[in-house]
Amino acid sequence: QLQLQESGPGLVKPSETLSLTCTVSGGSISNKNYYWGWIRQPPGRGLEWVGSTHYSGKTFYTPSLKSRVTVSIDTSKNQFSLRLSSVTAADSAVYYCAEISAAGTIDYWGQGTLVTVSS
Amino acid sequence: EIVLTQSPGTLSVSPGERATLSCRASQSVRSSLLVWYQQKPGQAPRLLIYGASSRASGIPDRFSGSGSGTDFTLTISRLEPEDFAVFYCQQYGSFPITFGQGTRLEIK
Repeated sequence: QLQLQESGPGLVKPSETLSLTCTVSGGSISNKNYYWGWIRQPPGRGLEWVGSTHYSGKTFYTPSLKSRVTVSIDTSKNQFSLRLSSVTAADSAVYYCAEISAAGTIDYWGQGTLVTVSS
Repeated sequence: EIVLTQSPGTLSVSPGERATLSCRASQSVRSSLLVWYQQKPGQAPRLLIYGASSRASGIPDRFSGSGSGTDFTLTISRLEPEDFAVFYCQQYGSFPITFGQGTRLEIK
């Protein structure tokens, strides 16, 4: 059974960079059939896809965040990471890491980690 | 970007009855590449339906999806107490991946 676990600071100051890591177990992050992505959900609100990466190095970002976001992959550690720069309170959310099939369905999710942007 | 609009925002239904949730797209969703998820409080979403009408592994047959083009429907035929949650549609036919704003299904 594939499992994903997010880790990183729960509190980030405005204008700084949010950094999260997702550790994948029970499967290989080098599987060519899957992408690895981040989805966020502000408290009490809906879901927003942030970005995805593939073991080949391909990356895809939602247009509204493209200038501030980087998703990277470390196949040696079976991990992938999210960096979001110049954060504001609007970036406060539960951040989920997820396995995304080549067809675009999100089959496995991490439990989510709450990140609050506040001074 | 394809905008998905879900209706109603909140649906109140009694256990044992049928619930019908709607998801309308601002433009046609390619190859009916539309997904439904269920999310319970404090949990990650769970995949219910993919390809507009195919049930994901382990999903009871009381959940069904239908539709094509711009109009899609999730139907839960006989509501069980554990079915009450928030439901989201998502399209993956066009970049970027987008989600609807959700429908909250509550016990009447």
